Amino acid sequence: QVLLQESGPGLLKPSQTLSLTCVVSDDSFHIGGFYWSWIRQHPGKALEWIGYIHYTGTTYHNPSLQSRTSLSVDTSKKQFSLRLTSVTAADTAVYFCARLRGVTASFDNWGQGTLVTVSS
Amino acid sequence: EIVMTQSPDSLAVSLGERATINCKSSQSLFYSSKNKNYLAWYQQKPGQPPRLLIYWASTRQSGVPDRFSGSGSGTDFTLTISSLQAEDVAVYYCQQYSTPPSITFGPGTRLEIK
Repeated sequence: QVLLQESGPGLLKPSQTLSLTCVVSDDSFHIGGFYWSWIRQHPGKALEWIGYIHYTGTTYHNPSLQSRTSLSVDTSKKQFSLRLTSVTAADTAVYFCARLRGVTASFDNWGQGTLVTVSS
Repeated sequence: EIVMTQSPDSLAVSLGERATINCKSSQSLFYSSKNKNYLAWYQQKPGQPPRLLIYWASTRQSGVPDRFSGSGSGTDFTLTISSLQAEDVAVYYCQQYSTPPSITFGPGTRLEIK
């Protein structure tokens, strides 16, 4: 069972940039068939896919957030990161990192999630 | 973008009875080149991340009890819990994958004990 752990600030002010990092516990990070993903969940709401990155650096984004998101990967640390610019209260959510298994197109391992609140 | 809908929004079922949740996509999720439907089901309990139950519409993830089953193809899918247990109280989501890489989740179905 691979473990994923998110980290980052829990409170931001409007217009700031959200930066989150997810550390992966095992060497599946370097296996080609997995994609490292960010998903968020607004309070009491459904899940929203933000994007994912392959360890080679290839990225795919949700078009609705693409203009404000960037994903990066640090293979030496087995970690990947999300940056979301110009945050507003609408970006308040629990942010999960997760592993997407490419062959099944499903998220088979998830971090516990981290709550990010945007408030002035 | 493919839009996912689920029905019902919430469901109350007696212990030991069958629970059925439906998921519908706005486009077919069947990929003939792979002979697969790219539809997954998740269970989420309060304060926890989602847990993968089913992928390829009908294949149970390792460790998932066999009372959970998935069916359907194309645009219409169903998650069935054959005999509801107390620990199955949760919100259930379906999720689609399509190309170009695009992923959306359904709005969720809340399952409770009657």
